[in-house]
Amino acid sequence: GAVVSQHPSRVICKSGTSVKIECRSLDFQATTMFWYRQFPKQSLMLMATSNEGSKATYEQGVEKDKFLINHASLTLSTLTVTSAHPEDSSFYICSAREIDRGLGDTQYFGPGTRLTVL
Amino acid sequence: GIQVEQSPPDLILQEGANSTLRCNFSDSVNNLQWFHQNPWGQLINLFYIPSGTKQNGRLSATTVATERYSLLYISSSQTTDSGVYFCAVSTGTASKLTFGTGTRLQVTL
Repeated sequence: GAVVSQHPSRVICKSGTSVKIECRSLDFQATTMFWYRQFPKQSLMLMATSNEGSKATYEQGVEKDKFLINHASLTLSTLTVTSAHPEDSSFYICSAREIDRGLGDTQYFGPGTRLTVL
Repeated sequence: GIQVEQSPPDLILQEGANSTLRCNFSDSVNNLQWFHQNPWGQLINLFYIPSGTKQNGRLSATTVATERYSLLYISSSQTTDSGVYFCAVSTGTASKLTFGTGTRLQVTL
């Protein structure tokens, strides 16, 4: 099946620093990737849609200047949390859209990145 | 936006038991997926099923699009089935998924 990787899997940083998370589709090309965040014991909430070669589309209430998204190639999207604060601590998950395998419009998810801001 | 409710919110089963998880959605959808989130947070694709019925081993799913619900059946449950099960839907052409509230399953020996 389609494989999506994320790096790092876990990061602890000091308040005020920036953190970059990478999302890669390993065996398929993804023109569209998505970024979600998940708080403990809650569901996934979509943050933004990342389109290769164009600006990301952010969901209502998500600060685009705080969560910078770059989709520079068909296999890589990055999320940078700028000037991180403790309230940004969360589980961040990316997904990549794959529509070429005869299975329909399917999203495949990375393993997630657990961010802790001290 | 579309609302996606799952039931039950929590479920405890003994190993070997069967279960049915339900996903209700408030509007027409063109995409519905079921996922299992394991204890480490990884989301595993179970089914892409905007309509109809599919089976994969001990798991099967049915979506009745006209009545706006989907069911996930787990038979002969195993401890490795533990985790959270999510359904997620999308409408229109954006392909953005809206996740349901989840069902937390614990399978005990």
